[in-house]
Amino acid sequence: GEDVEQSLFLSVREGDSSVINCTYTDSSSTYLYWYKQEPGAGLQLLTYIFSNMDMKQDQRLTVLLNKKDKHLSLRIADTQTGDSAIYFCAERKEGGGNKLTFGTGTQLKVEL
Amino acid sequence: NAGVTQTPKFRVLKTGQSMTLLCAQDMNHEYMYWYRQDPGMGLRLIHYSVGEGTTAKGEVPDGYNVSRLKKQNFLLGLESAAPSQTSVYFCASSFPGRAYEQYFGPGTRLTVT
Repeated sequence: GEDVEQSLFLSVREGDSSVINCTYTDSSSTYLYWYKQEPGAGLQLLTYIFSNMDMKQDQRLTVLLNKKDKHLSLRIADTQTGDSAIYFCAERKEGGGNKLTFGTGTQLKVEL
Repeated sequence: NAGVTQTPKFRVLKTGQSMTLLCAQDMNHEYMYWYRQDPGMGLRLIHYSVGEGTTAKGEVPDGYNVSRLKKQNFLLGLESAAPSQTSVYFCASSFPGRAYEQYFGPGTRLTVT
């Protein structure tokens, strides 16, 4: 199908690690992205990974890519209350316009 | 740099009314996009533009029109608003290079009654 799939909710305790998962659709996607949306705000790019990589680390964020299974994950280490937000994965497909296809978003709730 | 700005932030329309949403970017980006965000559905692309004077349809273009008369502006028009167009609308822009990342505006919340 055409959908990029994510689970809708994730709840973690402050200080724990969070893992947000995404299944994308197109094995030819060249870039995969993670965006964060805080309440009432637009989307902010967190990180991205090029399709010839299988891991990318950026401070507390680790992105893992399994091309065979078309599975992408975002791990947030030492999750803080400020990490509470909706997280979207997105894939860039080949073709004109740099169009992205977004997942449905995962609402991360960080509890004290 | 202001980045991507959107006007207005909120709007309530009656069915059948028309309006135009304005998106402006000051990053000299070639590409611009209009998305709508609905609960449980992520973001869906309405229309996009790869340069001044060009526009193209996205995933959900029906009921919307767009224009890109200046490189920095991308307008989204609703000619006859319907309740199904109640949504949050986001504009984004990108540069055709590097990782092609898109930069988003803060959104416009539109309610059609």
